[in-house]
Amino acid sequence: EAGVVQSPRYKIIEKKQPVAFWCNPISGHNTLYWYRQNLGQGPELLIRYENEEAVDDSQLPKDRFSAERLKGVDSTLKIQPAELGDSAVYLCASAGQGASNEQFFGPGTRLTVL
Amino acid sequence: GQNIDQPTEMTATEGAIVQINCTYQTSGFNGLFWYQQHAGEAPTFLSYNVLDGLEEKGRFSSFLSRSKGYSYLLLKELQMKDSASYLCAVRFYGGATNKLIFGTGTLLAVQP
Repeated sequence: EAGVVQSPRYKIIEKKQPVAFWCNPISGHNTLYWYRQNLGQGPELLIRYENEEAVDDSQLPKDRFSAERLKGVDSTLKIQPAELGDSAVYLCASAGQGASNEQFFGPGTRLTVL
Repeated sequence: GQNIDQPTEMTATEGAIVQINCTYQTSGFNGLFWYQQHAGEAPTFLSYNVLDGLEEKGRFSSFLSRSKGYSYLLLKELQMKDSASYLCAVRFYGGATNKLIFGTGTLLAVQP
């Protein structure tokens, strides 16, 4: 069974440019998460989807960040315009049903803003 | 707040045992996870505790005390490949959603 797929793996852009990340969760997982992880820190939740509905986007900087999961499967996260402080690894995770709701993480996209 | 506290770094010797502690604020607690993350890779699930006690899985064990807001991850028979960051993550009740809050991670270096 394929894991969580993310692309691109690496992205280098100049500040003020737009950037988009794509995630395809594990088949059958209704819950999808986007996290941001800075060097030496744990992942921080940006947004959580249950199917196509964003149920927690309280930590998403909505002035420049947006996300969508139109058909309740794959998702995109966009930053426009990017700032220097946005350099980080952007992780996508998915979870199925069950008491533990274990999250499975994708390999992440490492963003560098110059 | 929902602070998750764990040591920043630890060093241990190959073949030894190491214990990585994690403390958290107990209000709204709804489960604790341990993840392993090698440099440049995604976190991978190690263990889940929601009731008090010890969960054993091979060389790795995880313990939880809900009343104390305390957990530890125990790694036995350390191998060089165990050098990684170990993330403690706590799920808190959050109205319609459950929030998973990660600690900063403990970077473990296993030496020969």
